[in-house]
Amino acid sequence: ETGVTQSPTHLIKTRGQQVTLRCSSQSGHNTVSWYQQALGQGPQFIFQYYREEENGRGNFPPRFSGLQFPNYSSELNVNALELDDSALYLCASSSRGSIQYFGAGTRLSVL
Amino acid sequence: DQQVKQNSPSLSVQEGRISILNCDYTNSMFDYFLWYKKYPAEGPTFLISISSIKDKNEDGRFTVFLNKSAKHLSLHIVPSQPGDSAVYFCAASEVGGSNYKLTFGKGTLLTVNP
Repeated sequence: ETGVTQSPTHLIKTRGQQVTLRCSSQSGHNTVSWYQQALGQGPQFIFQYYREEENGRGNFPPRFSGLQFPNYSSELNVNALELDDSALYLCASSSRGSIQYFGAGTRLSVL
Repeated sequence: DQQVKQNSPSLSVQEGRISILNCDYTNSMFDYFLWYKKYPAEGPTFLISISSIKDKNEDGRFTVFLNKSAKHLSLHIVPSQPGDSAVYFCAASEVGGSNYKLTFGKGTLLTVNP
């Protein structure tokens, strides 16, 4: 059974660019949640996808968007990158319950 | 407004002794609580959870206590081992809600000294 995998591991972008982060959910899981973890903070909920539909969103602007595919993998897209978007982006999968299993994350640096 | 608070940024204990990590919450709608452990360059790893209908849950060396009236929970690690050194996050969710989002505290860095 494979766990949650995220790609890429690290990414460097410049302000104003767009970025796509990818997540493969754990086998048997149909729910994917995305979190942003800034330095020295706990993870903050961005949004969740359940069976390809957005199922809840945190306090993030519309330039943060996502997709979930039929195989339950997911993408996080961020447009018009800002310096404050520099963070660790975590993906978590679950089987429609509260125990979420996390990937190792993508470290995004915006210059 | 932080709904989940971990007021101790760090904690240092001796190997073999008890580690006690604390967490407070303000949202009365939270009724499911989790602890995650995070090593550098890894994602958070689920440790133990507790539902609001219980006041204690044990799993090996780890025990979580919940005091609903005080809106307080704690994680006890006995005995502490050097491999337990990591950042510990307390998280909460509204299980009855539609999206099970987790609200995290800022974390406590635990260092277990040999």
